[in-house]
Amino acid sequence: EVQLVESGGGLVQPGGSLRIYCAASGFTFSDYWMSWVRQAPGKGLEWVANIRQDGSEKYYVDSVKGRFTISRDNAKNSLFLQMNSLRGEDTAVYYCARDSLGAAVSDYFDYWGQGTLVTVSS
Amino acid sequence: DIQMTQSPSSLSASVGDRVTITCRASQSISSSLNWYQQKPGKAPKLLIYAASSLQSGVPSRFSGSGSGTDFTLTISSLQPEDVATYYCQQSYSTPQTFGQGTKVEIK
Repeated sequence: EVQLVESGGGLVQPGGSLRIYCAASGFTFSDYWMSWVRQAPGKGLEWVANIRQDGSEKYYVDSVKGRFTISRDNAKNSLFLQMNSLRGEDTAVYYCARDSLGAAVSDYFDYWGQGTLVTVSS
Repeated sequence: DIQMTQSPSSLSASVGDRVTITCRASQSISSSLNWYQQKPGKAPKLLIYAASSLQSGVPSRFSGSGSGTDFTLTISSLQPEDVATYYCQQSYSTPQTFGQGTKVEIK
């Protein structure tokens, strides 16, 4: 059974940093692109970043470029999102999602975690 | 960035009704269009990928169609468990973008 379990969310002050995690199981993690998608309270879905199977390519939405860094550890079946210089508008539930199996940068998100809440507030 | 526009933003229909949600892309995205269902407090669930392919395990009352810029999600016979918000998403180019969502309720 495919499982994605996020952790590491919490309350952080504006300008602060946080690292969130996604533990993957039930599939060959190193075969897939992986993405982070977020949802602000009461709002819609926003793709944040994704990373190629071997970590050699990474893409970000403009609003987080230079502040967020996506990474992965295939040996530990883990995905990470390092978030720096956090702002109030980064407050959201952050979902880890399985992305493309092949060479395509993105196909569709067929499995999602339950999400971890990041709250940026003083 | 490619903008995705869904209509309507919300709808109310009776059990057994046929429900149609439309999604329009700001430029051609071929068939790189996916549909998700999100119930309150839950993660999104993939329903349709590549515009018209039904994800494994999804009831056959859900179907998708379209290509280019105009796409449709149809629920052939609305069921109480279909109450949710539905999102379209394009995977044609980065950044992958979502529509604003369509909230479906039972009348």
